[in-house]
Amino acid sequence: AQSVTQPDIHITVSEGASLELRCNYSYGATPYLFWYVQSPGQGLQLLLKYFSGDTLVQGIKGFEAEFKRSQSSFNLRKPSVHWSDAAEYFCAVGAAGGYQKVTFGIGTKLQVIP
Amino acid sequence: GAGVSQSPSNKVTEKGKDVELRCDPISGHTALYWYRQSLGQGLEFLIYFQGNSAPDKSGLPSDRFSAERTGGSVSTLTIQRTQQEDSAVYLCASSANRGGQPQHFGDGTRLSIL
Repeated sequence: AQSVTQPDIHITVSEGASLELRCNYSYGATPYLFWYVQSPGQGLQLLLKYFSGDTLVQGIKGFEAEFKRSQSSFNLRKPSVHWSDAAEYFCAVGAAGGYQKVTFGIGTKLQVIP
Repeated sequence: GAGVSQSPSNKVTEKGKDVELRCDPISGHTALYWYRQSLGQGLEFLIYFQGNSAPDKSGLPSDRFSAERTGGSVSTLTIQRTQQEDSAVYLCASSANRGGQPQHFGDGTRLSIL
């Protein structure tokens, strides 16, 4: 069965600093990988997705993520964090092909301090 | 509205009562998902509808939970004889792509069982 681990429940960074949120997945075949963001009082929004091809994917709001098969990781990065990035971030994995039952991690809550 | 609409936004009920949660997906989206978000648990997959195909009910936690989707559009998630552990936020998402990941999430229904 597919699963996702987000080892950091809570992260605090200073505004303007770089950010990396960790995600490790478990899946027996080629995964589809996603990052979603849930801002306070708002619904979940898809940030970016990896299906195949280039292992570095660009998303909205200046985020990017890199798929590393050897490490079973799909870490989310941003070079300079803005206060509006404070939110909860969810990594998710789905099965390639057919329909997708997407499995989510428990989320990482990001706090941005001035 | 252009987004996924869920109602009610909040529901408080007594243990043992039945509840119905409604989801109006984005018009034309063939895929519809229900997830449950509990504190510290991430998003738990409940059920997936794709067009006229038989739904994937593998995530429903017990036979007290059921869902239907009428006319390929509106979906209702029903919980019978509610228990306190059913307290959570129930999220609905829809997607335009067959085999696609959940693209658009509603704001959820916060269910509280007294």
